[in-house]
Amino acid sequence: SQQGEEDPQALSIQEGENATMNCSYKTSINNLQWYRQNSGRGLVHLILIRSNEREKHSGRLRVTLDTSKKSSSLLITASRAADTASYFCATAFTGGGNKLTFGTGTQLKVEL
Amino acid sequence: EAEVAQSPRYKITEKSQAVAFWCDPISGHATLYWYRQILGQGPELLVQFQDESVVDDSQLPKDRFSAERLKGVDSTLKIQPAELGDSAMYLCASSWTVDTQYFGPGTRLTVL
Repeated sequence: SQQGEEDPQALSIQEGENATMNCSYKTSINNLQWYRQNSGRGLVHLILIRSNEREKHSGRLRVTLDTSKKSSSLLITASRAADTASYFCATAFTGGGNKLTFGTGTQLKVEL
Repeated sequence: EAEVAQSPRYKITEKSQAVAFWCDPISGHATLYWYRQILGQGPELLVQFQDESVVDDSQLPKDRFSAERLKGVDSTLKIQPAELGDSAMYLCASSWTVDTQYFGPGTRLTVL
């Protein structure tokens, strides 16, 4: 079963706008990761945030984590058409070693 | 840049036939994962290897699926016999640390 639930399921924006995706999970975690998947391809790791961190940046990406609410958000600033993809959060739950449980994903479409 | 290799990229088979997928992880990565991704969902872990040993195969349907990593390097996932519900993307990933997983391009399986 998949632990993470992402919201929205689909998002369509114009190039240059910001895109925000949310992830909720159910159990205590060691870290939370975000991955991107272009259509029909493998997943690419974007960013990892540990349970003792609240915010992390990488280029145009900003991730926040609220362990009290068991939720995370991924913000992509100044989006580009090349950002069109599915985005998944994945949690490494406490006691699970490095096993990742993926969410259902958000399909992002960035239009010119 | 080193990548995870998978073959074949696409496989079409008839139900009740046997199929096999191959994965070559990034050199030096001791941990190898096989995931199944149904269309529109996130990946779900089937089996995790640490070197040649199975760490987690709790979600592997053992009546028809088998996986091996004999020399602790490349790995094979087999399905026998294939069923219609096995149609999915099969993803292989590897990791060196307990954090980031690196994914291959996947094998798209269609069972007719």
